[in-house]
Amino acid sequence: QLVLTQSPSASASLGASVKLTCTLSSGHSSYAIAWHQQVPEKGPRFLMKVNSDGSHSKGDGIPDRFSGSSSGAERHLTISSLQSEDEADYYCQTWGTGLNWVFGGGTKLTVL
Amino acid sequence: QVKLVGSGGGVVQPGRSLRLSCAASGFTFSRFAMQWVRQTPGKGLEWVAGMSYDGSDKYYAESVKGRFTISRDNSKNTLYLQMNSLRVEDTAVYYCARDWAAHIPIYWGRGTLVTVSS
Repeated sequence: QLVLTQSPSASASLGASVKLTCTLSSGHSSYAIAWHQQVPEKGPRFLMKVNSDGSHSKGDGIPDRFSGSSSGAERHLTISSLQSEDEADYYCQTWGTGLNWVFGGGTKLTVL
Repeated sequence: QVKLVGSGGGVVQPGRSLRLSCAASGFTFSRFAMQWVRQTPGKGLEWVAGMSYDGSDKYYAESVKGRFTISRDNSKNTLYLQMNSLRVEDTAVYYCARDWAAHIPIYWGRGTLVTVSS
């Protein structure tokens, strides 16, 4: 079964970097994923698509501070030079059989 | 610019029906698969249904299969979600989204709130 696993929470200091991880379930390590950001009281925003080889394609207007990478079944989102507006929930999402989407449980990022 | 504007939400009693719409503009709607995703207040994102660019393929989450129907009218650049036999647990903000296609990014629309309550 295709499952995405994320840590429920993460924190980092203003100006620092943070690396969020999304882990694909066994047998699905070749899957690409997408990262979405949701700031409080707003709808989700697409950040980037991360492929199994670590290449990534960002959405429109996504700052260079956001980058993606891969390692085995893990897909990472790294945010550098953290700003207060980066405090948000971050969801990973992938594509199952057919057209269905599968979401991870989300990581709540706190900027200290 | 790309716009996806959801509408049709509201308060409805359990067992009743509601139809959501998602009006698209700023891109060639007929070339993209589309998705519905919902979010219960304070919870994570839950995929609901997806449809291919031409309407030939439809997929549903188990939680809504048999009750919800996704459809689209490419001549009107509009995506729909017909929701029947609504349950209290269907209460959520419903978002439509344009799926990824050939390096063209996913785009989220503004959500519409559905409240199922007696």
